[in-house]
Amino acid sequence: NAGVTQTPKFQVLKTGQSMTLQCAQDMNHEYMSWYRQDPGMGLRLIHYSVGAGITDQGEVPNGYNVSRSTTEDFPLRLLSAAPSQTSVYFCASIKWGNEAFFGQGTRLTVV
Amino acid sequence: AQSVAQPEDQVNVAEGNPLTVKCTYSVSGNPYLFWYVQYPNRGLQFLLKYITGDNLVKGSYGFEAEFNKSQTSFHLKKPSALVSDSALYFCAVRYGGSQGNLIFGKGTKLSVKP
Repeated sequence: NAGVTQTPKFQVLKTGQSMTLQCAQDMNHEYMSWYRQDPGMGLRLIHYSVGAGITDQGEVPNGYNVSRSTTEDFPLRLLSAAPSQTSVYFCASIKWGNEAFFGQGTRLTVV
Repeated sequence: AQSVAQPEDQVNVAEGNPLTVKCTYSVSGNPYLFWYVQYPNRGLQFLLKYITGDNLVKGSYGFEAEFNKSQTSFHLKKPSALVSDSALYFCAVRYGGSQGNLIFGKGTKLSVKP
């Protein structure tokens, strides 16, 4: 039982490039979400999904896209990377009514 | 607007002394409250939660938290701090009607000195 797995752990992008951050969970949780962590700002919700085929925007969705074709996977796409997207990204999954399980994070630098 | 406040950026404690990390919240409906800990270059780990019931909640690694509805607070406590408790602590709330979305405080860095 691996929990929540994120790949890659580190990534450097040039401004304007696109990429996908992968997130997979093996706990059969319906709810999954993406957060970004910036110094002094805590974690802010980017997008979330309450089940396969259902996604919605969080607090800071601009510049990001998500899809949820299966219960297990919830990839986050950066459409055209900007330096303001330099951050640490965390994926989380929740069994309704319980605590969130977080992945180990992806540290992204956009130059 | 929903919000969580952690008024201290950093808390310094001597090993063996009690520690408190403060959290207050403002949400509509009944809150689900959580504490998470983050060690350097790691993800967030769950410590404890308050959903309903006793106001004093016990969690992992000897931590506990007290829910105070009138003061809208959920302070994290430990009777005797360890050097290994040094980490970044986040308070979070899931507000009524939310499927699972969490609002996080900005985090408090706990430093425990020998």
